[in-house]
Amino acid sequence: SQQGEEDPQALSIQEGENATMNCSYKTSINNLQWYRQNSGRGLVHLILIRSNEREKHSGRLRVTLDTSKKSSSLLITASRAADTASYFCAVYNQGGKLIFGQGTELSVKP
Amino acid sequence: EPEVTQTPSHQVTQMGQEVILRCVPISNHLYFYWYRQILGQKVEFLVSFYNNEISEKSEIFDDQFSVERPDGSNFTLKIRSTKLEDSAMYFCASSLQGGGEKLFFGSGTQLSVL
Repeated sequence: SQQGEEDPQALSIQEGENATMNCSYKTSINNLQWYRQNSGRGLVHLILIRSNEREKHSGRLRVTLDTSKKSSSLLITASRAADTASYFCAVYNQGGKLIFGQGTELSVKP
Repeated sequence: EPEVTQTPSHQVTQMGQEVILRCVPISNHLYFYWYRQILGQKVEFLVSFYNNEISEKSEIFDDQFSVERPDGSNFTLKIRSTKLEDSAMYFCASSLQGGGEKLFFGSGTQLSVL
């Protein structure tokens, strides 16, 4: 399967700490995206990193991509209780599909 | 900010019945998608649609499923004869461009098949 697989499956941290989530995939990709899902809601796009990029920032988010290792990481700095959600990576390949991983459930305790 | 809207938010149906899930994508978007998420599981791709045709579909999207853009604004997913295992949250998404650009998702329709 070419889908992204997140690690860890669940992460619990205290407010103010950083949260790091990892994603691995199996095939070549055009880009990799991270989405967030609050419980029972739709997915919200966070950030897209293309296969020729190594790092990207957006506010408190930092994404890295290592195509040689077929892996990506999402770092949320100075986490807040409102960051509590599930985070999914998704990979797009030449097949024309955006495929999601299993997700990491992040819990940020106040 | 423009958003993708889905109706109804929750649909309950009997096994074997037909259901139609409705979506209004963002108005200037050209690419449309359906995904589903069984409770506690990952978000699964069903189908993508562009220029009034299916672009890609997954193995889940069998003959029981069909999609349609009946007018300039709606995008529908029909399940002809629902099964218990069709119970899931169904998400519609749209994008301005294809090629894996970012998707905008609706809030989903929770389908419960009894």
